[in-house]
Amino acid sequence: ETGVTQSPTHLIKTRGQQVTLRCSSQSGHNTVSWYQQALGQGPQFIFQYYREEENGRGNFPPRFSGLQFPNYSSELNVNALELDDSALYLCASSGGWRAGANVLTFGAGSRLTVL
Amino acid sequence: AQTVTQSQPEMSVQEAETVTLSCTYDTSESDYYLFWYKQPPSRQMILVIRQEAYKQQNATENRFSVNFQKAAKSFSLKISDSQLGDAAMYFCAYRIAGGDDKIIFGKGTRLHILP
Repeated sequence: ETGVTQSPTHLIKTRGQQVTLRCSSQSGHNTVSWYQQALGQGPQFIFQYYREEENGRGNFPPRFSGLQFPNYSSELNVNALELDDSALYLCASSGGWRAGANVLTFGAGSRLTVL
Repeated sequence: AQTVTQSQPEMSVQEAETVTLSCTYDTSESDYYLFWYKQPPSRQMILVIRQEAYKQQNATENRFSVNFQKAAKSFSLKISDSQLGDAAMYFCAYRIAGGDDKIIFGKGTRLHILP
């Protein structure tokens, strides 16, 4: 059973550019969520995708957008990058709500630096 | 709004000793879940232990146990027989039962294990 894989692991962009981060969910999982973890902070929920649609969003502006594909993999897109977007972006997948709490499986993240 | 507070930015413990990490949270919900996640230098968030709010019995997982005080909104993690591999950032986290995969994390406690 493969876990959650994310790419790229590190990348550097400049202000105003756009970035796309990718995530492959764990086998059997149909829900993907994205988190932003700034240095020295806990992760913050960006949004969640289920059945290729966004169905939950945190307090992030519209320039943060995403996609989910039929194979449940996902992309996070950030437009018009700002310096404060520098962070570790974590992807997590889950099998959907069943009895008990969803257990999220996290990837190792993509470290984005905006100069 | 739900919040999670970890008041100990860093802690140290001697190998083989016991350490307790503190966490308080605030919510008006009655049905929710609490978690402790571990984030080692590899960056991948690993679930250590979880607690369903409706259960009075404290969760245990091998050397890890929690002290869940629902009325006080307190959720501490006890690590017994500390091992070098326990060194990591530990995040206390909360999620409402049902709904999306939004987890609210605290700012974390960095745990050092002294040989």
